Amino acid sequence: DTGVSQNPRHKITKRGQNVTFRCDPISEHNRLYWYRQTLGQGPEFLTYFQNEAQLEKSRLLSDRFSAERPKGSFSTLEIQRTEQGDSAMYLCASSLGLAGVDNEQFFGPGTRLTVL
Amino acid sequence: DAKTTQPTSMDCAEGRAANLPCNHSTISGNEYVYWYRQIHSQGPQYIIHGLKNNETNEMASLIITEDRKSSTLILPHATLRDTAVYYCIVRPPRNDYKLSFGAGTTVTVRA
Repeated sequence: DTGVSQNPRHKITKRGQNVTFRCDPISEHNRLYWYRQTLGQGPEFLTYFQNEAQLEKSRLLSDRFSAERPKGSFSTLEIQRTEQGDSAMYLCASSLGLAGVDNEQFFGPGTRLTVL
Repeated sequence: DAKTTQPTSMDCAEGRAANLPCNHSTISGNEYVYWYRQIHSQGPQYIIHGLKNNETNEMASLIITEDRKSSTLILPHATLRDTAVYYCIVRPPRNDYKLSFGAGTTVTVRA
């Protein structure tokens, strides 16, 4: 399977703990996006990378959230001191970075976080 | 970003065409209309997009009105596997732009 993969698929943690999620994009894609989705709502943009550079961050990404893409390949999203309001599905997407071409975003299956 | 309005839910009979409306009355002249869908417990999946002309691919057809203030996604022969939430998104012509999802339309295809 050469699609976007995310690990873990499910994570249950206690309030105050730190969690880290991983996203492996499609291999030739140089753009990577993180979204968050709460129950009954559409996904909300969190942040976006072009290769290893983090180019845009949503105001939803509080200082407890940090995302990295160290070698321009996989990405991690860490949430420190989790709160119950962080419970959501965290989605990763990737796309080609060809100039002048409208690049479709391919989504992974998501990581469902439950904070107790 | 231009706002879109979609019905909350709709039912469709298996084998029949499903017509999903979307209003985007504040769309700018260079903004595209995109459709994605999300099957339960999966990430969103791209369906189709268009600017002014009607578009068709192997999944669906997109009809955009002449004034571009609304569009309709057509699933020509709905199957049970088309049951999903369908999102209509208006997007600027930047290929790195984030997608702004609304609540979408929950489509249930019934046998």
